[in-house]
Amino acid sequence: DTAVSQTPKYLVTQMGNDKSIKCEQNLGHDTMYWYKQDSKKFLKIMFSYNNKELIINETVPNRFSPKSPDKAHLNLHINSLELGDSAVYFCASSRWPQATNEKLFFGSGTQLSVL
Amino acid sequence: DAKTTQPPSMDCAEGRAANLPCNHSTISGNEYVYWYRQIHSQGPQYIIHGLKNNETNEMASLIITEDRKSSTLILPHATLRDTAVYYCIVRPSGGGADGLTFGKGTHLIIQP
Repeated sequence: DTAVSQTPKYLVTQMGNDKSIKCEQNLGHDTMYWYKQDSKKFLKIMFSYNNKELIINETVPNRFSPKSPDKAHLNLHINSLELGDSAVYFCASSRWPQATNEKLFFGSGTQLSVL
Repeated sequence: DAKTTQPPSMDCAEGRAANLPCNHSTISGNEYVYWYRQIHSQGPQYIIHGLKNNETNEMASLIITEDRKSSTLILPHATLRDTAVYYCIVRPSGGGADGLTFGKGTHLIIQP
């Protein structure tokens, strides 16, 4: 009964391939996020969705396309993978609006390695 | 323009209290102080947050100075499982869906 689950945990692929990472939350939250943690361990937000609508889209190449079929799911599709896409990708969720209780719940991460 | 400043690393003996400082001298009146931690190979985990009063929960205590320009996270009896990177984040209430901005954090190492 994991709160935020993402699959796969590890993803090894060749440059130029297209891949997807799936995320599901069973917390009843309205808002979901994708974060990227690079090799220097900086954690940066990529996207946020609220009730299936895109709210935040940070400076991310358009090869990255999030898709939210319903508010419990936020998947990340990446086209034409590049070496620099290698990182750990974290999904997270929270309630909306985030009043005084800024609790983000994170998944355990997907380690993407592009060869 | 970092909103918070934390020491890059700290050591603490197992069983002792771990005191992690955070400087947030430019904090605004409506900004809360949040603490998260990231244990190796896991996603960040919420610990505690506060506005101006000291807070305590089952994981930790948060002490915020009267001028709110700094705070200290206290893990009262550190265990080896508390080894992690601890992030101090300031953020206004009702900040919307722009998530949290993580800095470099403090790598806390609990020594046996």
